[in-house]
Amino acid sequence: NAGVTQTPKFQVLKTGQSMTLQCAQDMNHNSMYWYRQDPGMGLRLIYYSASEGTTDKGEVPNGYNVSRLNKREFSLRLESAAPSQTSVYFCASTALGGEQYFGPGTRLTVT
Amino acid sequence: GEDVEQSLFLSVREGDSSVINCTYTDSSSTYLYWYKQEPGAGLQLLTYIFSNMDMKQDQRLTVLLNKKDKHLSLRIADTQTGDSAIYFCAEGPYSSASKIIFGSGTRLSIRP
Repeated sequence: NAGVTQTPKFQVLKTGQSMTLQCAQDMNHNSMYWYRQDPGMGLRLIYYSASEGTTDKGEVPNGYNVSRLNKREFSLRLESAAPSQTSVYFCASTALGGEQYFGPGTRLTVT
Repeated sequence: GEDVEQSLFLSVREGDSSVINCTYTDSSSTYLYWYKQEPGAGLQLLTYIFSNMDMKQDQRLTVLLNKKDKHLSLRIADTQTGDSAIYFCAEGPYSSASKIIFGSGTRLSIRP
């Protein structure tokens, strides 16, 4: 059982480039989440999807878009990367409620 | 708005107890969580407690909640090198994980 998987593990972008972070879960969870983790700031919610076909903004959605492709997959897109988006990005999923299962993270650097 | 605060670092000697503290501001009934993040990995749920409980024990882990002071602690007995990690306190409703607020994490290091 793979749980939550994320690709890529590492990425370096130049300012203005675009990219999509991929996330998939094999636990048949309804809800999925994208967070960013910055030093000294904990995790901040970017976007979430309560169920297939729905997405909602979290605390810090600016500069990001998401797609809930199907029940398994939830992708995060940066259309025009900025240095302020240098961070570690985590995807998570939940079955019914608070216990979240996290992926291993994507470390993104924007130069 | 809601906030969750933790100290950033804690260093303990191997075999001693570690106590990681957290304060939160949300006054509504809620759940409080402790997550562990090992290097290069995502967060993993260690334990959680509902806000009407005072204490929860699970093997080497003891969670204490002082609801009046909105203070939560995680005690790890007989701390081992494998306990080296970042520990995140979080609070929020169990029914809606999108509303969970995370603290900034406490990095626990173990001295020999």
